Amino acid sequence: AQSVTQLGSHVSVSEGALVLLRCNYSSSVPPYLFWYVQYPNQGLQLLLKYTSAATLVKGINGFEAEFKKSETSFHLTKPSAHMSDAAEYFCAVSERGTSYGKLTFGQGTILTVHP
Amino acid sequence: GAVVSQHPSWVICKSGTSVKIECRSLDFQATTMFWYRQFPKQSLMLMATSNEGSKATYEQGVEKDKFLINHASLTLSTLTVTSAHPEDSSFYICSARDQGLKNTEAFFGQGTRLTVV
Repeated sequence: AQSVTQLGSHVSVSEGALVLLRCNYSSSVPPYLFWYVQYPNQGLQLLLKYTSAATLVKGINGFEAEFKKSETSFHLTKPSAHMSDAAEYFCAVSERGTSYGKLTFGQGTILTVHP
Repeated sequence: GAVVSQHPSWVICKSGTSVKIECRSLDFQATTMFWYRQFPKQSLMLMATSNEGSKATYEQGVEKDKFLINHASLTLSTLTVTSAHPEDSSFYICSARDQGLKNTEAFFGQGTRLTVV
């Protein structure tokens, strides 16, 4: 079974500050990992994904994440927060093979950006 | 990129009635689609995996007779909430994956907000 834990249900940063959203996973097989962003009453938009290529993954809107197998982590970062980054962020893990696309989500982290 | 369209975006229904939600892959074929449910201020929970031409696979604890899933074509899956009750009020989101492409993620619809009164 797979699971995802996001540390911190709420993160608050100032505009221009570093964004760090934490995600740890548990998986018995090498995982595929994803970060999604969700704005109120909307679906999910993919920020980035790790599928066993480079461990440092760059995504859209200046976000990136690093896969660290030894720490079973996949933390999301952005060097400088913008007001438009305020949203809820979900880390997710997927199985491989025929079950690829079937996602287990973390609890979500609400990011607030202060001017 | 691949587009998944969900309809309706929101629906209000009376308790005891049934509601159908559609999930369409607009520019690719999806032999598999996934249905998730999101309660307010909570994460997404997988309800079922919809397989074209065969029965859906439901997650533990999800009532298959209450949440009917039909995947009649390669571009359409429907979720019907039967005899809806207020506790079924939630945000329902589908996703679909282009099975013809390796290592591509599933794309999400915009979600359907269901309110049962």
